[in-house]
Amino acid sequence: DSGVTQTPKHLITATGQRVTLRCSPRSGDLSVYWYQQSLDQGLQFLIQYYNGEERAKGNILERFSAQQFPDLHSELNLSSLELGDSALYFCASSPSHFTSYNEQFFGPGTRLTVL
Amino acid sequence: GQNIDQPTEMTATEGAIVQINCTYQTSGFNGLFWYQQHAGEAPTFLSYNVLDGLEEKGRFSSFLSRSKGYSYLLLKELQMKDSASYLCASRNRDDKIIFGKGTRLHILP
Repeated sequence: DSGVTQTPKHLITATGQRVTLRCSPRSGDLSVYWYQQSLDQGLQFLIQYYNGEERAKGNILERFSAQQFPDLHSELNLSSLELGDSALYFCASSPSHFTSYNEQFFGPGTRLTVL
Repeated sequence: GQNIDQPTEMTATEGAIVQINCTYQTSGFNGLFWYQQHAGEAPTFLSYNVLDGLEEKGRFSSFLSRSKGYSYLLLKELQMKDSASYLCASRNRDDKIIFGKGTRLHILP
């Protein structure tokens, strides 16, 4: 158990809908990362937050948005869902200290199925 | 861009040593990750190299050559539980992370 929690574990929805994925980082970790993993694209970095502020952006679609709240939990919002958005979505957190800043702890993932 | 290239699959024998290579584009490069991912599970962080050289962590070591745009992950005394995918990923100076497709490692008894 990494200490990172993600809810829900599974999500099934229809095209055109909107969903919210939630992540709670390990206690004390200030950084949260979101990743998407699909069979054809592999693991893709979406976005990173550090202490509530956006830190880095990867291949995140405009239909997707994220935020990190004052209690450090994060949400990934996916809207106007398409079949191709079906994937595993992972959240990871990392410690704030510079010596271990890059060590990432992954949550169990949310499996999204768009029908 | 920072295309990441690593072999798709490798096979090794229990107890042996295997080296998984990774090449990346050096423009804007800041550091290199290695992750392990068992089928159906979340990735596990293995290492992050910023400086040239070899970093050892138990049976696993990771090497980086910034000038050559090259890294490798070395796994010693292979165990059956090391059968997994190994993902190489680069981080650039804007903190953007780019992943390779992963190397599926099969361990034979």
